[in-house]
Amino acid sequence: DTAVSQTPKYLVTQMGNDKSIKCEQNLGHDTMYWYKQDSKKFLKIMFSYNNKELIINETVPNRFSPKSPDKAHLNLHINSLELGDSAVYFCASSQAAEQYFGPGTRLTVT
Amino acid sequence: GENVEQHPSTLSVQEGDSAVIKCTYSDSASNYFPWYKQELGKRPQLIIDIRSNVGEKKDQRIAVTLNKTAKHFSLHITETQPEDSAVYFCAEWGGSNYKLTFGKGTLLTVNP
Repeated sequence: DTAVSQTPKYLVTQMGNDKSIKCEQNLGHDTMYWYKQDSKKFLKIMFSYNNKELIINETVPNRFSPKSPDKAHLNLHINSLELGDSAVYFCASSQAAEQYFGPGTRLTVT
Repeated sequence: GENVEQHPSTLSVQEGDSAVIKCTYSDSASNYFPWYKQELGKRPQLIIDIRSNVGEKKDQRIAVTLNKTAKHFSLHITETQPEDSAVYFCAEWGGSNYKLTFGKGTLLTVNP
């Protein structure tokens, strides 16, 4: 079950560091997303890319920078990590409205 | 604007009973309503969905109903089993944007 994959699965880092999370999908979908799930389990969209073009940016701090080298990949780079960035980050992809999620990356900032 | 209210936030049932989770939305342009199941430590997984031209859809023990006039939709699980225990999220997809807006989730516990 590797349709949407993310690395790493766990990421523990200190405040102020810069880190990246990678996402790949082999479903041939045109659209990819990043979601943040906080400790209360609320799923909030951060970004969406369609065919490498940014189409949604949900007022995320500019410390977060997504990059889509091709339509099968959407990476998330985070600068100057803060305690409040601790969460599970999910990548997802879709061709129409049906979205398929990756396994998640649990980010812990200490 | 986009807003999805989901109730209840927690639901505890006995094995074999039915469970119902309800969601309301505000965007009349919404036309797609999926339900996701998220087990502890796992990814959200699509379990059933419904489009705005249909009032009800069923897949084995799960069903979803949609009332477009009242702007609400519900998930029904019959003959619940312990493996149904999870967090369930409703979502809506608006016609004017390209994103899913999720409800806040319902923690369903099925007691054996």
